[in-house]
Amino acid sequence: TAGITQAPTSQILAAGRSMTLRCTQDMRHNAMYWYRQDLGLGLRLIHYSNTAGTTGKGEVPDGYSVSRANTDDFPLTLASAVPSQTSVYFCASSPESGGYNEQFFGPGTRLTVL
Amino acid sequence: GQNIDQPTEMTATEGAIVQINCTYQTSGFNGLFWYQQHAGEAPTFLSYNVLDGLEEKGRFSSFLSRSKGYSYLLLKELQMKDSASYLCAVPDSNYQLIWGAGTKLIIKP
Repeated sequence: TAGITQAPTSQILAAGRSMTLRCTQDMRHNAMYWYRQDLGLGLRLIHYSNTAGTTGKGEVPDGYSVSRANTDDFPLTLASAVPSQTSVYFCASSPESGGYNEQFFGPGTRLTVL
Repeated sequence: GQNIDQPTEMTATEGAIVQINCTYQTSGFNGLFWYQQHAGEAPTFLSYNVLDGLEEKGRFSSFLSRSKGYSYLLLKELQMKDSASYLCAVPDSNYQLIWGAGTKLIIKP
């Protein structure tokens, strides 16, 4: 079982360009999450989805959008990248939403915006 | 609002015991999580405490005091592979996790 996968592993992106970070899970989890992790800061929630067809904004949603067309996939799009979006991005999933479920993380995407 | 505090870095010796503290402030309380994150890797779940007291899981134990807004992770018989960051997290009022910045644990031989 693959669990949760992310693509690409890493990417260098020119400022102003758009990009979609892919996330797929095969655990049939209802809830999915996108975080960014920056040195010296904790994981910060960008967007989340409690179930297929619904999404919500996290702590730092500006400049990012998500969709949840089905249970397995939860892509994150940067419409017009800026250098402050340089970060490591983690996708995660949990069986249900509610804050008391263990979250399972993908391997991360290291994004550099120049 | 919500706030989580953890020490930035700790150093311990192989074979010893180390305690990593976490203090939190939340408007409600729905449990506290500890995750381990090795450098360059994804976080992995260690423990979840919702009631006061100590929960033991092998070499790792986690303690919670809800009245004090305090938790600690206790690692016994330290091994070199325990060198990692340890992340404390609590759900916010929307039941989404708020994360501490993590404690980097350095194990020396």
